[in-house]
Amino acid sequence: DTGVSQDPRHKITKRGQNVTFRCDPISEHNRLYWYRQTLGQGPEFLTYFQNEAQLEKSRLLSDRFSAERPKGSFSTLEIQRTEQGDSAMYLCASTRQGENTEAFFGQGTRLTVV
Amino acid sequence: GDSVTQMEGPVTLSEEAFLTINCTYTATGYPSLFWYVQYPGEGLQLLLKATKADDKGSNKGFEATYRKETTSFHLEKGSVQVSDSAVYFCALSDRVSGTYKYIFGTGTRLKVLA
Repeated sequence: DTGVSQDPRHKITKRGQNVTFRCDPISEHNRLYWYRQTLGQGPEFLTYFQNEAQLEKSRLLSDRFSAERPKGSFSTLEIQRTEQGDSAMYLCASTRQGENTEAFFGQGTRLTVV
Repeated sequence: GDSVTQMEGPVTLSEEAFLTINCTYTATGYPSLFWYVQYPGEGLQLLLKATKADDKGSNKGFEATYRKETTSFHLEKGSVQVSDSAVYFCALSDRVSGTYKYIFGTGTRLKVLA
């Protein structure tokens, strides 16, 4: 069990550019979550997959954000036309099926938009 | 909707002092409750959890009891160490409209002085 892996760990991009982040969950986990965390705040829910199906998207997720999990394994989060307000830590988490299960988090991708 | 409220920090204590970090929640269903810890430069790690009323979660000397009557899950430790310095997040998971979501408080920074 290698845990949840996120790539890259850090990304600096110019405003207006597109960025894509990858998350590899724990292999037997079928639920996958994306969160955003800004300085001094707790993680905010962005979106949720069960297997390959995206079951919920937060209102925080504008049309510039899109997430996929094509084969129910790894997931990508793309941000188009980045804005300075997108600067944050993007966290991925996975859980196994069932109730009362804890979420396992990756170390996150820190995005800085300049 | 569901929410978690935890005491604001930072909390500064001397080594071997008693720690309490307050957490209360609002939930539509019957949530599971968690404490996560985030050390500098690292991702969120599960510290402890409780899945039903009167359950006590414990780990590494930390404890928290699920109090349904007061909707609380306060974190306690009898004797803190410098190595406990970190940000602590209270969280709940609840099934809302068929989706299991994890909702976090804003975090409480703990600084322990030698």
